[in-house]
Amino acid sequence: DQQVKQNSPSLSVQEGRISILNCDYTNSMFDYFLWYKKYPAEGPTFLISISSIKDKNEDGRFTVFLNKSAKHLSLHIVPSQPGDSAVYFCAASGRGGNKLTFGTGTQLKVEL
Amino acid sequence: DAGITQSPRHKVTETGTPVTLRCHQTENHRYMYWYRQDPGHGLRLIHYSYGVKDTDKGEVSDGYSVSRSKTEDFLLTLESATSSQTSVYFCAISGTSGRQGDTQYFGPGTRLTVL
Repeated sequence: DQQVKQNSPSLSVQEGRISILNCDYTNSMFDYFLWYKKYPAEGPTFLISISSIKDKNEDGRFTVFLNKSAKHLSLHIVPSQPGDSAVYFCAASGRGGNKLTFGTGTQLKVEL
Repeated sequence: DAGITQSPRHKVTETGTPVTLRCHQTENHRYMYWYRQDPGHGLRLIHYSYGVKDTDKGEVSDGYSVSRSKTEDFLLTLESATSSQTSVYFCAISGTSGRQGDTQYFGPGTRLTVL
């Protein structure tokens, strides 16, 4: 029972364009969402997060949008750079716990 | 980067042997976690700790045990390794201040191969 879903295993975009990574969740108790980036042979690194009281959070080139009614969030990267090529994981947590539930990841490739 | 180290970084072992992986943090964070990463499954929680000697099971805890005798160290033990436990194992830590405490910081990982 996958409570956090990333339905696109891979995404390819051109340098300078926008990358949009999507994530859906089924558990209505989730109220805090995070994105992590992972390079090969390294641990995941925290990228950006959003609380359910917001619908948008921005940090430089990275923006996360949350649509609670659709149980959907997305990560926008503008402009995309070759160094952004990595696997991106969406994660969610609910009240009362410090546990995260992760999606299966999306491999982003930014081409020159 | 958060001060998290994992040892060993790579290990090859045989079915039926015991294996212990170590996670060490220098951040004095309360929470520590062990995950495994497998293709098609993302990161799945094995066990976590919310303080010294306080641990609980995660999503895929069968075949694994943990111990935390000091704030800085969290050990993951495979009592009798099986080929299905071949995976990449990540340790993570988090603090407790509000919802930002939900943000976990990961170690570099241990690649374990069970033959």
